[in-house]
Amino acid sequence: QVQLVQSGAEVKKPGASVKVSCKASGYTFTTYYMHWVRQAPGQGLEWMGIINPTNGGTSYAQKFQGRVTMTMDTSTSTVYMELSSLRSEDTAVYYCARDIVLVPSAIYNFDYWGQGTLVTVSS
Amino acid sequence: QSALTQPPSASGSPGQSVTISCTGTSSDVGGYNSVSWYQQHPGKAPKLMIYEVSKRPSGVPDRFSGSKSGNTASLTVSGLQAEDEADYYCSSYAGSNSVVFGGGTKLTVL
Repeated sequence: QVQLVQSGAEVKKPGASVKVSCKASGYTFTTYYMHWVRQAPGQGLEWMGIINPTNGGTSYAQKFQGRVTMTMDTSTSTVYMELSSLRSEDTAVYYCARDIVLVPSAIYNFDYWGQGTLVTVSS
Repeated sequence: QSALTQPPSASGSPGQSVTISCTGTSSDVGGYNSVSWYQQHPGKAPKLMIYEVSKRPSGVPDRFSGSKSGNTASLTVSGLQAEDEADYYCSSYAGSNSVVFGGGTKLTVL
């Protein structure tokens, strides 16, 4: 069965960086795009970006350009999301989510989600 | 891009039907068939209920259905059950490798 298992909760100070991991299993890692979505406490969902598992190509939401970096390690079937220059407004649960269709397509609909990683930014 | 517009709340009695709307623009909902709906229970990750406007993933009850007309997509839940009480989010591809979500609707089963 498909599983996306994320790393544990993090507490960071303003200005620091955080790197969240998402380990995929139950399918061939290189056959589906992966996305990152976040949700601030009591708020809605916000798409952050997408990574191509075949070549590591990325596309980021304009809001996060320059602050977010998505990478992957095919040997461990893991994708990573690093967010820098953290501020209090970045306090949120961060999710990885798999696109529902096979590469080379992506339709930006998400069929499997990680359990979420809470990142708290506080001085 | 601006968030898609959803009503903050919706409600219905067990067995009834309820429809949640999701209004965007011709640059997102109206321009693409990549509209999806997610159910989220408190403290849980979202779950895909509808994709590509009206398709149901395996395992999702056929009580859930989706449609689209112009710039507005809709999720209908028929035969409401207590376990349907949750937050529901719509999303749409918005061009240029981007996605926009709705603000969410809290569905209450009375």
